[in-house]
Amino acid sequence: EPEVTQTPSHQVTQMGQEVILRCVPISNHLYFYWYRQILGQKVEFLVSFYNNEISEKSEIFDDQFSVERPDGSNFTLKIRSTKLEDSAMYFCAIRGQVLYEQYFGPGTRLTVT
Amino acid sequence: ELKVEQNPLFLSMQEGKNYTIYCNYSTTSDRLYWYRQDPGKSLESLFVLLSNGAVKQEGRLMASLDTKARLSTLHITAAVHDLSATYFCAVDTPRDDKIIFGKGTRLHILP
Repeated sequence: EPEVTQTPSHQVTQMGQEVILRCVPISNHLYFYWYRQILGQKVEFLVSFYNNEISEKSEIFDDQFSVERPDGSNFTLKIRSTKLEDSAMYFCAIRGQVLYEQYFGPGTRLTVT
Repeated sequence: ELKVEQNPLFLSMQEGKNYTIYCNYSTTSDRLYWYRQDPGKSLESLFVLLSNGAVKQEGRLMASLDTKARLSTLHITAAVHDLSATYFCAVDTPRDDKIIFGKGTRLHILP
């Protein structure tokens, strides 16, 4: 099973601040995804990224969000001006190459105060 | 818009009993996934079901898929406490590069 790491594991920030969440796959992958999970709720799709471009995004992924692969390995999610309601677990996922299933990283818990 | 419905949302059961979690989805899908999530942890892939009639088993868990009925089941046989977790069903769509999750079934197995 492909491995994905995420940093930081927990981020506390004040409302209005910018945060960058990072995802590092262990091996080369082309498909990346970000999901979020508000505490106790279901997992929600944010964005998919393929070949250095966004391939799909949800209505949650508004102008405050952006993604990039700055150095060809790390995959980042930036929230420009955080709001209280951005508090959630953020999961990065990669697509497996056999069954195309998505493997999830350990997550970053974002707390906006 | 693809919708995924799971039931029950919460299940408390005794060790040794059998039970089934149901997952209905609203439109044609390429793949159906079952994930397990322990409290505060990430999502662990359990099964990927690709075709009608697919059945997969791992230990006390067995998943099946009926694409005509747009229904998947996750069956738990002789439950043990270690299976306590939240189980999510998720589905992807032919044209969209994303998976849509159900609300999850929180399974609590009493010793």
